[in-house]
Amino acid sequence: DAMVIQNPRYQVTQFGKPVTLSCSQTLNHNVMYWYQQKSSQAPKLLFHYYDKDFNNEADTPDNFQSRRPNTSFCFLDIRSPGLGDAAMYLCATSSPRTGTYEQYFGPGTRLTVT
Amino acid sequence: AQSVSQHNHHVILSEAASLELGCNYSYGGTVNLFWYVQYPGQHLQLLLKYFSGDPLVKGIKGFEAEFIKSKFSFNLRKPSVQWSDTAEYFCAVYGGATNKLIFGTGTLLAVQP
Repeated sequence: DAMVIQNPRYQVTQFGKPVTLSCSQTLNHNVMYWYQQKSSQAPKLLFHYYDKDFNNEADTPDNFQSRRPNTSFCFLDIRSPGLGDAAMYLCATSSPRTGTYEQYFGPGTRLTVT
Repeated sequence: AQSVSQHNHHVILSEAASLELGCNYSYGGTVNLFWYVQYPGQHLQLLLKYFSGDPLVKGIKGFEAEFIKSKFSFNLRKPSVQWSDTAEYFCAVYGGATNKLIFGTGTLLAVQP
């Protein structure tokens, strides 16, 4: 089944220790998104790639970076995680070019910062 | 700027009760509208969507939503809820210029058996 896969599902890191979360998709969608979701809140968009073009949200901290080496993979790097970065991180894809405007979400990675 | 408002933050219903969750958006152009559901411990899933055509759209699990352009609304309904509908529900609007979904703040629905 075509899908969005996120690894790991649970990640524990220490305060200030860099961490990378990964996302892959088999949908061949050209847009990939990273969201941060805290408990009982709406997902907050961090950035997205439209093809290779990176689009950062104005309020995304510099601590958060992303890489998209190819269509299928996208990474979220948190350079120096703080306690406030503990959250669920969601990857999503869409393909507006082919009329697929809805976003398909992965299961998320729950990040704990100790 | 686009925005989405969900008026009910927390709804508690008994099984078999009818459900209506409000959603209003602000965007002047053509919109694509969505309702997503997030069951406890699970990821966001698409419940239903509206792009064009019949303003009454039917989704999975007996849910439906009605797009009323004059009211900028896209309310979610279900005639008879079940305990398994306990989840958080997010309304979202996609405006083409930004390639982004704008989410509402979500409504937490608890259905009591």
